[in-house]
Amino acid sequence: DGGITQSPKYLFRKEGQNVTLSCEQNLNHDAMYWYRQDPGQGLRLIYYSQIVNDFQKGDIAEGYSVSREKKESFPLTVTSAQKNPTAFYLCASSIARGQGASGANVLTFGAGSRLTVL
Amino acid sequence: GNSVTQMEGPVTLSEEAFLTINCTYTATGYPSLFWYVQYPGEGLQLLLKATKADDKGSNKGFEATYRKETTSFHLEKGSVQVSDSAVYFCALRKGETGNQFYFGTGTSLTVIP
Repeated sequence: DGGITQSPKYLFRKEGQNVTLSCEQNLNHDAMYWYRQDPGQGLRLIYYSQIVNDFQKGDIAEGYSVSREKKESFPLTVTSAQKNPTAFYLCASSIARGQGASGANVLTFGAGSRLTVL
Repeated sequence: GNSVTQMEGPVTLSEEAFLTINCTYTATGYPSLFWYVQYPGEGLQLLLKATKADDKGSNKGFEATYRKETTSFHLEKGSVQVSDSAVYFCALRKGETGNQFYFGTGTSLTVIP
């Protein structure tokens, strides 16, 4: 079955360490996204990518970095510059604008990765 | 700009009660509208969608109608079950530019037996 796989599901980090969250999709989607979710809050966009080797900052990109070397993969690195990294991180993907009927362009989400800084 | 405002929770209902979660939006042009559901510890799942005015999205007994005149997309269900306990997110996607999605803050629903 097609879908999005995020790993690890739970991750603990010491202050000052960088960590990388993995996101892989086999949906043949061009666009991929990273969101951060904090308790009682909505989703905030960190980075998104509409095509390989290209990505744009979202609303809260500071302290994060991404790469998009392959269509299937969009890893997120939480750097030591991120002041409050403890959160639930969600990866998502969608078809690119212009592909297929507009009604088909929905976001498909992974199961999430919970990062806790000790 | 583009934004989504949804009813603040938490909402607690008894089983078989009627559910309404309000959602209004601000957007230019003709956005597509969505409701997503998130069960504890999981990612978001698409519940239903509507792509143009007066469309009604429906799934698993949930319904929402795209009302352009009131810029609303309220979620309704006639008889909720304990298994419907989750967080519900209203979202919009801008039709003309890029693939940006905008989410409301989520409404937590708890259904008690």
